Amino acid sequence: GAGVSQSPSNKVTEKGKDVELRCDPISGHTALYWYRQSLGQGLEFLIYFQGNSAPDKSGLPSDRFSAERTGGSVSTLTIQRTQQEDSAVYLCASSEGRTGGTEAFFGQGTRLTVV
Amino acid sequence: AQKITQTQPGMFVQEKEAVTLDCTYDTSDQSYGLFWYKQPSSGEMIFLIYQGSYDEQNATEGRYSLNFQKARKSANLVISASQLGDSAMYFCAMREGLTGGFKTIFGAGTRLFVKA
Repeated sequence: GAGVSQSPSNKVTEKGKDVELRCDPISGHTALYWYRQSLGQGLEFLIYFQGNSAPDKSGLPSDRFSAERTGGSVSTLTIQRTQQEDSAVYLCASSEGRTGGTEAFFGQGTRLTVV
Repeated sequence: AQKITQTQPGMFVQEKEAVTLDCTYDTSDQSYGLFWYKQPSSGEMIFLIYQGSYDEQNATEGRYSLNFQKARKSANLVISASQLGDSAMYFCAMREGLTGGFKTIFGAGTRLFVKA
């Protein structure tokens, strides 16, 4: 498909384990975002990749969180030593890297449950 | 400081009436974009409407219109003739320009309840 793809759609993990969440953005989109959304809450910005620039990591809540984007395309969000408060839906979005009228397109999200 | 502020955590509207969802923003960029998204209970993020900072006309898309007041830095969403299916969370977002690294940031959202 031509949309943003995230995998897995659901992930249940034990506290203390590491998890990797994957995002396949729309081809050609230079901007990629990760957001976190707790139940019934707003979107918490985590990290932003724009082309070859250094990523904006200002939203990462702790050093247990990291993300990379390989080849300007696929991105992986890694959470080490997961805690119960990490349980949330993790949303990935991509867009063209300009201020023009192209909106950010979202994936369906990965629902992470830490037990 | 909040760059996108949505002051209404929840709103109620009677079916078939119009409703305005508030959004104010803050940026030092001259060129920026403003967006509204709808998130129903299914969780998907649905793009509704876009307004560019240089657009002179308010954007409209069907029953959605964006009341853009640049000097006041507000970008309120107006939904006309509300329908039960409009019940959802609504997010205002801004993509900043060069100074902001073209990053898209979101407000906290407003949950809209449409009453029959």
